[in-house]
Amino acid sequence: DADVTQTPRNRITKTGKRIMLECSQTKGHDRMYWYRQDPGLGLRLIYYSFDVKDINKGEISDGYSVSRQAQAKFSLSLESAIPNQTALYFCATSERAIYNEQFFGPGTRLTVL
Amino acid sequence: AQKVTQAQTEISVVEKEDVTLDCVYETRDTTYYLFWYKQPPSGELVFLIRRNSFDEQNEISGRYSWNFQKSTSSFNFTITASQVVDSAVYFCALSEARNTGNQFYFGTGTSLTVIP
Repeated sequence: DADVTQTPRNRITKTGKRIMLECSQTKGHDRMYWYRQDPGLGLRLIYYSFDVKDINKGEISDGYSVSRQAQAKFSLSLESAIPNQTALYFCATSERAIYNEQFFGPGTRLTVL
Repeated sequence: AQKVTQAQTEISVVEKEDVTLDCVYETRDTTYYLFWYKQPPSGELVFLIRRNSFDEQNEISGRYSWNFQKSTSSFNFTITASQVVDSAVYFCALSEARNTGNQFYFGTGTSLTVIP
């Protein structure tokens, strides 16, 4: 079984709808991250969380919110989806030390019509 | 300013050729970490290597090798005798010691196509 899972894997929605993307991990890592990937732009950080009580904004947090329900679960919400939020979304986890690599989930492809 | 620059957007090579993917980074930290990830057509991100700023030794892993040069702020990735399975988008990333969140700064990626 995958260490970092994301649901759904694909989602098509309409402008104005509320969407939640979920991430679960079995790696036991404290830190979790949400990124979006756009063609030609690489990956950009939306939010990250050190632990259940510590959530921080990343580079592009506007229009998004997150919830860290447990050490293993980190959800990303789009309160009112808009077309330019169409992207590939990745969840990632890492251990505490700054030198540790991040492990990525399989990604969620979101299309906002 | 972009902290990680991958100037090569797309590269095509014929199978068995060698190919080098360039990565140039920018940081004021003396302690930092560099990473390479591979994103095959299936979409997942696969960790390839981590290098810290105090270790300039080059690394070789099978057909893959990495050349880290602090003098030119570069961390280039070479694939020797490329294979079709190497076709993917490759990302270079930087993590700075002063950034307690372990935020990664990713380059925009280089799309490699290996032609059989």
